[in-house]
Amino acid sequence: NAGVTQTPKFRVLKTGQSMTLLCAQDMNHEYMYWYRQDPGMGLRLIHYSVGEGTTAKGEVPDGYNVSRLKKQNFLLGLESAAPSQTSVYFCASSYSWDSTDTQYFGPGTRLTVL
Amino acid sequence: EDQVTQSPEALRLQEGESSSLNCSYTVSGLRGLFWYRQDPGKGPEFLFTLYSAGEEKEKERLKATLTKKESFLHITAPKPEDSATYLCGVGRQLGGGANNLFFGTGTRLTVIP
Repeated sequence: NAGVTQTPKFRVLKTGQSMTLLCAQDMNHEYMYWYRQDPGMGLRLIHYSVGEGTTAKGEVPDGYNVSRLKKQNFLLGLESAAPSQTSVYFCASSYSWDSTDTQYFGPGTRLTVL
Repeated sequence: EDQVTQSPEALRLQEGESSSLNCSYTVSGLRGLFWYRQDPGKGPEFLFTLYSAGEEKEKERLKATLTKKESFLHITAPKPEDSATYLCGVGRQLGGGANNLFFGTGTRLTVIP
C-alpha cells in the first residue's frame, strides 16, 4: 500500500515548455487535489476532482489543466511553463467529504522554470 | 476574507521543554481544523482533525485543542525527532462535496538535544 505517489520528484523546465505531473493513489479515494506550496504563502489549491471523469478549479487554476481519466490517477499539466510556476507541487486524496475526510498527501514534485 | 495565521513562525526548544503552537483562523463554514507535520523535502503528514470547539485530541507528545477562533498544538517534553514544520489548515466546502484545506504558513519547530 504505497498511499499517494507523485512522478517526477524533480524537474527543470525552460519558459514555454510543457509537462505533465502524475499523481497516483491506491486507497480507492474518490477525491483528489493538486496544491502548490511557495515560501511564505502556504499550500494553495490549484484544481481538484470529486470522482473519475470530473475536474474543478481551485484557488489558483490559471496556467494549469488537469485530467482524471482513471479513479486512481490525477494529472496536472502545464501547457506553457512560466517562471511564476516554480514551486513544489503536492497531490492529495481523500475518501469522502464527511467527518472522516482526511487528505493524504504525496511526497511532492519540485519544479523549477527557468 | 478567510484567514489562517500561525504563530510563532519559528520556535527553538530544548529537549524536554514544553510549549504550544498557535493557529488562529477566520473562515466561513468551517469543515474541520487540520494539523499536519511536514519534514524538509517531504509531503505533509496528517496528525489531527478537530471539528468543534472544546474538542481535544492527543498523539504521543502532541495534544491539539480547538476553540471558536483558534487551535493550539501543545508539545510536551519534546524530543529532537519532533523537529519539523507544523501546518494548520481549515477545511472549506467546495462544489461536489470536496473540502479545500486552507493552510497557514506553518511553525518551524527545532528541538535541541
